[in-house]
Amino acid sequence: GENVEQHPSTLSVQEGDSAVIKCTYSDSASNYFPWYKQELGKRPQLIIDIRSNVGEKKDQRIAVTLNKTAKHFSLHITETQPEDSAVYFCAAGGFQKLVFGTGTRLLVSP
Amino acid sequence: SAVISQKPSRDICQRGTSLTIQCQVDSQVTMMFWYRQQPGQSLTLIATANQGSEATYESGFVIDKFPISRPNLTFSTLTVSNMSPEDSSIYLCSANLETPGTEAFFGQGTRLTVV
Repeated sequence: GENVEQHPSTLSVQEGDSAVIKCTYSDSASNYFPWYKQELGKRPQLIIDIRSNVGEKKDQRIAVTLNKTAKHFSLHITETQPEDSAVYFCAAGGFQKLVFGTGTRLLVSP
Repeated sequence: SAVISQKPSRDICQRGTSLTIQCQVDSQVTMMFWYRQQPGQSLTLIATANQGSEATYESGFVIDKFPISRPNLTFSTLTVSNMSPEDSSIYLCSANLETPGTEAFFGQGTRLTVV
């Protein structure tokens, strides 16, 4: 089955810096790669996703890249703000099932 | 998008008892899932709730411990049976819409504490 690894587990940046979180997956059949943001005590919220027929997607300060050959995908947050502080989860799979990474705790200091 | 209502939001239960968690979606969805999230950990899929048939369980989870119902396309329940302190966790319901894609929406979660 699918296995998703996520790095780093924690990431501290200064406000305005960029943050990059990386994930690798094992199942070449996976075709959907979402990223979720989870604030303390809240439900996971989708922030961006990418499908296997696309290499890159951007939404304002957030971008995701996908390398199908290497089976890895990354989340890029530019111009970070304190409100970006949260736990971020990557996931891989498809309509039938998603497997989540272990999470990255992002702390953005003012 | 879909709105998923989950209840209860939290509960404290005695060991050996059972708790049923309800998940209601405001639109018909094909796929519904139940996840467990231990404090500070990732989301682990318990099972896929299949409408009109038995749920599909992931490795390490069994029907006797986590019976699931899915009577229609908008509702599902997860029961945590014969609870022990190790079952203390957050349980999350999730659903996928057929359109616009495979985006998964989550309920607000049920924080379960077993004493």
